Amino acid sequence: ELKVEQNPLFLSMQEGKNYTIYCNYSTTSDRLYWYRQDPGKSLESLFVLLSNGAVKQEGRLMASLDTKARLSTLHITAAVHDLSATYFCAVDSGGGADGLTFGKGTHLIIQP
Amino acid sequence: DAGVTQSPTHLIKTRGQQVTLRCSPKSGHDTVSWYQQALGQGPQFIFQYYEEEERQRGNFPDRFSGHQFPNYSSELNVNALLLGDSALYLCASSLLADRETQYFGPGTRLLVL
Repeated sequence: ELKVEQNPLFLSMQEGKNYTIYCNYSTTSDRLYWYRQDPGKSLESLFVLLSNGAVKQEGRLMASLDTKARLSTLHITAAVHDLSATYFCAVDSGGGADGLTFGKGTHLIIQP
Repeated sequence: DAGVTQSPTHLIKTRGQQVTLRCSPKSGHDTVSWYQQALGQGPQFIFQYYEEEERQRGNFPDRFSGHQFPNYSSELNVNALLLGDSALYLCASSLLADRETQYFGPGTRLLVL
């Protein structure tokens, strides 16, 4: 059974600081996804990582994937309040199956 | 170009009742997946439909069933509702030939009393 673990589950940080969210998964997977969710809202796609060593960046967020270690990271640079949200990583089990297995999410609060 | 739409936005039911939730995929998408998100948790995969057939199913009981129509829209039916079925139900659409991104709808928030 595919398991996805995120840490930390809760993170409070100050504006201007850098931090990293970690996502470990238990079995081989084709793809790793990062989503953002604001309170009471749906999921917004941030990144899709398709291969070992993949790195994608959008604004202050950068995601990377190490398939050998079964680890993805979401790095936040010089955080701003607008990045406050819950961040989820998700993995599909591959082999033609597309249902995603999500982590429990990282609840991120960025304080001025 | 409309994104994924879901109806209704909110719903209140009592235990034992049945509920039907609806989803229209993003234009050009042929695959619909349903997820259940309990409060404070990550979404859990219920099932996926493609070409009007259930293609994959997560660890949910038979009380959860679905359907996909020729226009690719989909319904999620839940019978014999339990208090634990209270959750946000998310629909995601994608193109089977391009598995890069699943686009999520706004969700239906179901409360079972």
